[in-house]
Amino acid sequence: EAGVAQSPRYKIIEKRQSVAFWCNPISGHATLYWYQQILGQGPKLLIQFQNNGVVDDSQLPKDRFSAERLKGVDSTLKIQPAKLEDSAVYLCASSSTPGPGGTQYFGPGTRLLVL
Amino acid sequence: KQEVTQIPAALSVPEGENLVLNCSFTDSAIYNLQWFRQDPGKGLTSLLLIQSSQREQTSGRLNASLDKSSGRSTLYIAASQPGDSATYLCAAGRGTSGSRLTFGEGTQLTVNP
Repeated sequence: EAGVAQSPRYKIIEKRQSVAFWCNPISGHATLYWYQQILGQGPKLLIQFQNNGVVDDSQLPKDRFSAERLKGVDSTLKIQPAKLEDSAVYLCASSSTPGPGGTQYFGPGTRLLVL
Repeated sequence: KQEVTQIPAALSVPEGENLVLNCSFTDSAIYNLQWFRQDPGKGLTSLLLIQSSQREQTSGRLNASLDKSSGRSTLYIAASQPGDSATYLCAAGRGTSGSRLTFGEGTQLTVNP
């Protein structure tokens, strides 16, 4: 089966610009996650969707970050305006079910550099 | 707030050696503990998942143990190979379904031929 797809793979922008990342989860997976991974650190959960509803966005900086999952399939994560500290890899993951039975499958990530 | 720590940050071993990676967590009220592998420029691959009621899980040359009372987990890799070179991350799962993962910073493993 096809894995989690993400685009673009790399993005370079200047601070205060906006940027958007796209994720296509594994077909049939109801749960979708966005993580931020800063160099040298482990991934940090930004937001979790169950179908098209938000389950957990407690660590999402809502003043500049937004995410949506229309029709419960693809998802878009947006940053507006970007700051230098947003430079990181943004990982998307999906699972068939939340919790211990639902292994999270990760995409390759989008590497963002903010200058 | 859950904090996950991994020691060592980096490890270099000769091929064939058995090795142990360590993970500790501050809040023992976890739902599960997972180990992932991350190759450069790629996403994470799930290796082993231990439920909070379990003590260990095995897959091939990998064995992961969990001691909730002490807040520790270990990943044992037997007969290491150059292809095992990667960053290994542990994550403590919590929330009502254990899907909210708190990751450690990872151990970068290099297996030299």
